Amino acid sequence: EAQVTQNPRYLITVTGKKLTVTCSQNMNHEYMSWYRQDPGLGLRQIYYSMNVEVTDKGDVPEGYKVSRKEKRNFPLILESPSPNQTSLYFCASSLRPTTEAFFGQGTRLTVV
Amino acid sequence: GENVEQHPSTLSVQEGDSAVIKCTYSDSASNYFPWYKQELGKRPQLIIDIRSNVGEKKDQRIAVTLNKTAKHFSLHITETQPEDSAVYFCAASMGNNRLAFGKGNQVVVIP
Repeated sequence: EAQVTQNPRYLITVTGKKLTVTCSQNMNHEYMSWYRQDPGLGLRQIYYSMNVEVTDKGDVPEGYKVSRKEKRNFPLILESPSPNQTSLYFCASSLRPTTEAFFGQGTRLTVV
Repeated sequence: GENVEQHPSTLSVQEGDSAVIKCTYSDSASNYFPWYKQELGKRPQLIIDIRSNVGEKKDQRIAVTLNKTAKHFSLHITETQPEDSAVYFCAASMGNNRLAFGKGNQVVVIP
């Protein structure tokens, strides 16, 4: 089954404790993105990747890192999480930026 | 300003009536305009998209129209049903390989 898988689904952590949210897709897509969703602000792109070893900043990259060592995986790293990073995070993949994006199931992160 | 703006933020319609959501975009290089539906507690899913070489596209009860001159595109839902209640996001491709989303519209279909 074609899918995008994120883990974990829910995470509560403390300020400053490094964390990684994993994202994996099995559709051989080249383009992958991370979004955060906050009430009233919609989906804001954090980082995106056009292909392996090619990543770039989106609208709200501060406080986040990503890597794309393999085509299928695109982890999101928060080196020192802060409470303002409490949000719902979605990973998405597509063949190109101009084709259908498939979203993961979301990760609800709370930083206390 | 915002790359993509959506109006209205909330829309309530009687079951069976039509709903229209309008989006405007700023980047002249935009050539791909998808619409995503997000039901409560679920992930966004594509419902329809349109490319810049087409003015209108229809799929059963939903349609999208594009006005490149005015830089706006709209989602039309006819004969609305309770299962159409959701948040709808429009998006536009940007010249720098990005996809910019609007803030979303909450559509409530009143039975």
